Order: sequence, then C-alpha cells, then structure tokens
Amino acid sequence: QSALTQPASVSGSPGQSITISCTGTSSDVGSYNLVSWYQQHPGKAPKLMIYEVSERPSGVSNRFSGSKSGNTASLTISGLQAEDEADYYCCSYAGSSAVVFGGGTKLTVL
Amino acid sequence: QVQLQESGPGLVKPSETLSLTCTVSGGSISSYYWSWIRQPAGKGLEWIGRIYTSGSTNYNPSLKSRVTMSVDTSKNQFSLKLSSVTAADTAVYYCAREKIAYYFDYWGQGTLVTVSS
Repeated sequence: QSALTQPASVSGSPGQSITISCTGTSSDVGSYNLVSWYQQHPGKAPKLMIYEVSERPSGVSNRFSGSKSGNTASLTISGLQAEDEADYYCCSYAGSSAVVFGGGTKLTVL
Repeated sequence: QVQLQESGPGLVKPSETLSLTCTVSGGSISSYYWSWIRQPAGKGLEWIGRIYTSGSTNYNPSLKSRVTMSVDTSKNQFSLKLSSVTAADTAVYYCAREKIAYYFDYWGQGTLVTVSS
C-alpha cells in the first residue's frame, strides 16, 4: 500500500484555525472509519490526538477535531497556540490487517 | 500509566540482523496488540508490524520477508528482528501499543539504529 498524502506544510497565526488534509484511496481512508492522527514534536515520540476519525483521547484539548469525507480525512486545530507547532501524521487501516501512515505535515505557528 | 522502553544495539552492520526488545511496564502485556514503527531521519512514520500476546503476527508487506516478531509475556516484553539490513533501514525505531481499532495509544521514546560497517 502507498503512503497517505498530506501537505508538506501548513501555517497559521495564534488564535486562528487550520486544517490538515490526509488523502488516501477507496482501499484505506475511504473504506474504513479507522483514521488516527498523531502530533510529534522534534526529538519526541508521536502522541495520539484523534482516533476513529473524530474521537479524542482523554487529555487531548477539544481544540483538536477530526473528520472524513470520501477518501480524505482532515484534522482541524482551532485557536492555534504556539505549543501546537509540530509535525502531524495521519494513519489509516488499509485492509488485510495493515495500516499506512501519511507523509507528515509540518505545522508552523507564525 | 503504561510505559514502553526500547532496547538493543544502536549500530548494526550491513547484511546482519537488527534485534530490538520493547519492555512494557505499568500494565500487563496480555490481551493487547503491540507494534513496531520506524522513522528515518527527517522522514515519515512506517508501520513495520504487530504481534498479539497469543503470538499471532501481521507484517508490513514491504518488509514481511525480513521481519520476525516475538513476545514473552512472562517478561512483559516483545521483540523485533529485521534481517539483511542495509543503510535504508537506518531509523528511529518505536514500539507502541496498538488498539483493536488500529491506532497507537502508548509509544516508547524510540531508539536510533544505524546500519553501517
């Protein structure tokens, strides 16, 4: 399976909202509501932010939300804060017990 | 609070076998899926495979021929072996707990493995 497609970078000013897209195919994102999102700060392990498209783990700010339409999933961060600056990765179940990650998006808070 | 810690050699010679172990603390390893994920420097994440505590495994098709995973429930550990390594296998290797809905909720800190002679 091929990696999911994410924009290389997005940016926004504090307080604004941004959306990161994650495009797959009808064999992965489009077929299953099993998309998750991870935040990774430099030198750190990824942190789960969203699972099952739109579910938020306990402890994750409600400024983070997820959605899906067709073969594209999206992560929206509202009320941007400096601490949100990080890399973000999407991940989807791809059938046959496999998962596939996106290439990652670098979020810059201006 | 579940914690995971990777351990193993940081340097492996080309054509040899990379071996890593992940030790789980703060909870039982039983009845969960456990995965290995890697990340080359400056690049994205790649799922390597998972093992259930029964010993059943699933591997990334692109790595399947070279990957072997095992679990030792008595030690709360699971392991990764990647054979015939090349420079392309140089990466930070993470172990993670994987939930039934195919997401990773706990991660180790990661360990850098360099393939070089």
